[in-house]
Formats: sequence, C-alpha cells, structure tokens
Amino acid sequence: DIQLTQSPPFLSASVGDRVTLTCRASQGIRSSLAWYQQKSGKAPNLLIYGASTLQSGVPSRFSGSGSGTEFTLTITNLQPEDFATYYCQHLNSYPRTFGQGTKVEIK
Amino acid sequence: QVQLVESGGGVVQPGRSLRLACEASGFKFTSFSIHWVRQAPGKGLEWLSVISYDGRNKYYADSVKGRFMISRDNSKNTLYLEMTSLRADDTAVYHCAREGRFGELDYWGLGTLVIVSS
Repeated sequence: DIQLTQSPPFLSASVGDRVTLTCRASQGIRSSLAWYQQKSGKAPNLLIYGASTLQSGVPSRFSGSGSGTEFTLTITNLQPEDFATYYCQHLNSYPRTFGQGTKVEIK
Repeated sequence: QVQLVESGGGVVQPGRSLRLACEASGFKFTSFSIHWVRQAPGKGLEWLSVISYDGRNKYYADSVKGRFMISRDNSKNTLYLEMTSLRADDTAVYHCAREGRFGELDYWGLGTLVIVSS
C-alpha cells in the first residue's frame, strides 16, 4: 500500500503569509494526487487534483505542484478563511490513502 | 446541485451490525463511482471503500475488509455500507463522496455519526 506523509503536522501563520505544505508518497504516483481542505465539523472540500489542477471555484491563491513522490500545496496571501486542516490523497491505486493532515493555525 | 446525504448512523453495541445509506441527487448517479471515507473523533480522514458506477468493482481498506460491504441501488440513487462485527475503533463520522473524472473526490456528504459502545 502507498503511504503518504504530510509535513509539518501543524503550521502557525499570519494573514497575508505564504505557506507551503508538503506531502511525500512512499512510492511514485506520477501526478495522481489530490488536496482537500477541511474546517472543523465540516466535510472536506476538494482544492486540487492531478497534483496541480485547481478545482472549479477554488481561489487562485491555492496552487499545487509535484510529481512522483514529492508534492506541495502553496497558499499565497493567507486569508482568515484558510485556517483549516489540509489533507493529501493519492489517486494511483487502492487503497486510496490520505495523509495524516496539516493543521494551519493562526499565529 | 449535487447532493449526497448520509443516514443510518447511531449508537450500536460492539459486535453488532449497522447499515448506512447515502442518497444522491443532482447528477447522473449511474455514471459515477462512489466512495466511503470516515473520520474518527479528533483524527484524520480514512479511506474505506469504493464501488464502481455499475456496482461490479469494489475495493476496501484492510481495516474493514471482510467486515464491511459496499453496495448500490442505481434505481434508487442510493449507496450503502453494511457494517458487521463493529468495534469501538469503528466509531467515526462516515462520509460518502463522489469520484470525479481523475479519481478525485469532488463532492462529499456531511456525514453520519456511528458510535460503537456498550
């Protein structure tokens, strides 16, 4: 099974900051990766798929990059509504595992 | 608009069974694979299972293989998760989610809470 490791587990940042979250896969998964945002008590929301394709309706301050085993989610000009937990998920095979998440908190 | 609404959660004793349902609307249900994902209290997301658009192909996480069974009734636009031999660590919010063109989970239900406790 493919394992995904997200870093850091927690990140403190301020409004207006640029933050980068990392997701590493235990084996190559080409560009078969998605990123989700989850706010407390809510269902996850798809941000990015195919490692870098922005889901319709998602603000352009979110961007994704990477392929193979290393992927990043970057949020530029962090907004108050962006404080949440972010998960990566590989789409390469089954089981479709998630990373353990990165919680972005207000500094 | 696309909607997925889960139901069937509740409090159940260890070792017992429970069936969850996910009713879909706003899209052509018969064209999409649908997944189950759960989240234990204070924990991350755990992928559980998927069923193909026609019900022929099913996959499971090791943690539920042999205990949970996914199915669908395309005439009712409804997905099911039959859960047996429930354990305390099955306590979680269970979400259904639609799979998009590239495998991503593009729409999610709000979830239904299952508590396994004596």
